[in-house]
Amino acid sequence: DTGVSQNPRHKITKRGQNVTFRCDPISEHNRLYWYRQTLGQGPEFLTYFQNEAQLEKSRLLSDRFSAERPKGSFSTLEIQRTEQGDSAMYLCASSSVGPPTLHFGNGTRLTVT
Amino acid sequence: KNQVEQSPQSLIILEGKNCTLQCNYTVSPFSNLRWYKQDTGRGPVSLTIMTFSENTKSNGRYTATLDADTKQSSLHITASQLSDSASYICVVSARNSGYALNFGKGTSLLVTP
Repeated sequence: DTGVSQNPRHKITKRGQNVTFRCDPISEHNRLYWYRQTLGQGPEFLTYFQNEAQLEKSRLLSDRFSAERPKGSFSTLEIQRTEQGDSAMYLCASSSVGPPTLHFGNGTRLTVT
Repeated sequence: KNQVEQSPQSLIILEGKNCTLQCNYTVSPFSNLRWYKQDTGRGPVSLTIMTFSENTKSNGRYTATLDADTKQSSLHITASQLSDSASYICVVSARNSGYALNFGKGTSLLVTP
């Protein structure tokens, strides 16, 4: 399978704990995106990488959130001191250059109890 | 402000029937419009992409139309199947916006036997 891969698929954590998600994009794609999606809503943009450079961060991304893409390949999204409001599906997508057609992974569903 | 509005919010139809989903947008200057299908618990998958000069584009039983003058798009599903049950998301890009995409909240379609 050469699509976008996200791990884990599900994560249940207690409020206050830290969590980290991983995204492996399609190998030839140099652009990587993180989105958050809650029930009944469309995806909300969190952050964007071109190669290893993080070029944009949404205001939604508080100081508790950090994303990295150290070698321009896989990416991680860490949430520190999780809150119940962080419960959502976290989607990763990748694209090649040009007008982007995003290829999404199947997401990581986070539940904060 | 760039916005994408979709209607209806949800729709139930009988297997074999046709249906049409609507997308109105205020994104400017317009670049392209995509329809994505998102199965429950999965990431969105691209169905069609339409640019300013395209009025109609088909992908199997899915036909998308675009009226750039009225800033409206529709997605018509013919001879619906149970597997069409999903959320359909309209995504609009502005010219020179790079990575930035404007997502609708989606229309939730349920096809019943």
